[in-house]
Amino acid sequence: EAQVTQNPRYLITVTGKKLTVTCSQNMNHEYMSWYRQDPGLGLRQIYYSMNVEVTDKGDVPEGYKVSRKEKRNFPLILESPSPNQTSLYFCASSLGTSAYEQYFGPGTRLTVT
Amino acid sequence: GNSVTQMEGPVTLSEEAFLTINCTYTATGYPSLFWYVQYPGEGLQLLLKATKADDKGSNKGFEATYRKETTSFHLEKGSVQVSDSAVYFCALSDPANAGKSTFGDGTTLTVKP
Repeated sequence: EAQVTQNPRYLITVTGKKLTVTCSQNMNHEYMSWYRQDPGLGLRQIYYSMNVEVTDKGDVPEGYKVSRKEKRNFPLILESPSPNQTSLYFCASSLGTSAYEQYFGPGTRLTVT
Repeated sequence: GNSVTQMEGPVTLSEEAFLTINCTYTATGYPSLFWYVQYPGEGLQLLLKATKADDKGSNKGFEATYRKETTSFHLEKGSVQVSDSAVYFCALSDPANAGKSTFGDGTTLTVKP
């Protein structure tokens, strides 16, 4: 089954404790992206990647890192999480940019205390 | 920069009512436009899209027409069902900013029997 998977689905952590949210897709997609969803703010793009070893900042990259060492994986790293990073995070992938639809993972709900 | 403005919600309708969710955009280039739907507890999934002016996207009884002159992409459905209750997001992807996607704030639709 074609899908985007994220782990963990739920995470409660404390300020400053480094964490990684994994994202993997099995559709051989070139493009992957991370978003955060907050009430009243819709989805905001954090980082995206057009191909292996090619990443770029979205609209809200501060406090996040990403890497794209393999085509299928695109982990999101929070080196020192803070409470304002409490949010619902989605990973997405697509064949390409612009006209192509994005396929979304199920989401990771992160709480930073 | 690019932006997407959706009508404010939430929207509550009775079953079989007519639905319109307004969406307008600003973009530097000639974007592709999308409507995504998010059911409770799930990730977003594509509802429909249009990639050039005057194109009409349609799916599951929903329609939206890409109007370049009014920079709009309003979502319509002639007769909603309880199962249409979800959050709807308008989004654009601009080839002039390849890789970046912009989403609206989302509109929550509740359909009552």
